[in-house]
Amino acid sequence: GAVVSQHPSRVICKSGTSVKIECRSLDFQATTMFWYRQFPKQSLMLMATSNEGSKATYEQGVEKDKFLINHASLTLSTLTVTSAHPEDSSFYICSAKGGDRARNTEAFFGQGTRLTVV
Amino acid sequence: GENVEQHPSTLSVQEGDSAVIKCTYSDSASNYFPWYKQELGKRPQLIIDIRSNVGEKKDQRIAVTLNKTAKHFSLHITETQPEDSAVYFCAASRDTGFQKLVFGTGTRLLVSP
Repeated sequence: GAVVSQHPSRVICKSGTSVKIECRSLDFQATTMFWYRQFPKQSLMLMATSNEGSKATYEQGVEKDKFLINHASLTLSTLTVTSAHPEDSSFYICSAKGGDRARNTEAFFGQGTRLTVV
Repeated sequence: GENVEQHPSTLSVQEGDSAVIKCTYSDSASNYFPWYKQELGKRPQLIIDIRSNVGEKKDQRIAVTLNKTAKHFSLHITETQPEDSAVYFCAASRDTGFQKLVFGTGTRLLVSP
């Protein structure tokens, strides 16, 4: 399958600082990238969807000014958690889809980023 | 929007037994239904998927069935092994728009030797 690389895998930051998480598709062009948040022992909650070159579409209840998403190229999307607080601590995972958008295709996941805000 | 429910939340079986996980969805326009396996602290891995033009799909010990009329689909694992222990998520999406996946709540499967 295709490879999606997410970096960093773990990050600890101080409350009030910002953290950037990168998601790269290594061997395919990702027409769409998705960002999820996962709390311990819970499901993946979609935060936002991004298409290359356009603004991200956020799910209801997700603060777009707090979770900045940039999809600058067909292989890179970034999620920036701004002014992080302890309640933002979570596991963040990206996924990417490529290929023909006329056909629903498999989504490939990054390895996730465990963010801890202290 | 789409809502996916998954049962059971935990499932314990003995090695060699079968395991069945069930999901229901609400959006009749959904037509792609993947199943993911996630081990602790790792990324979800696709194990099998099915599209709405198919009622059943099998891959070795894993099979998925889909009932579009009732809007439910199930994962069947036969001859379970300890390495099957993980959290399993079902998901659903449309093939239009962003094709975003909506996940079920997950099932923690424990296979005891």
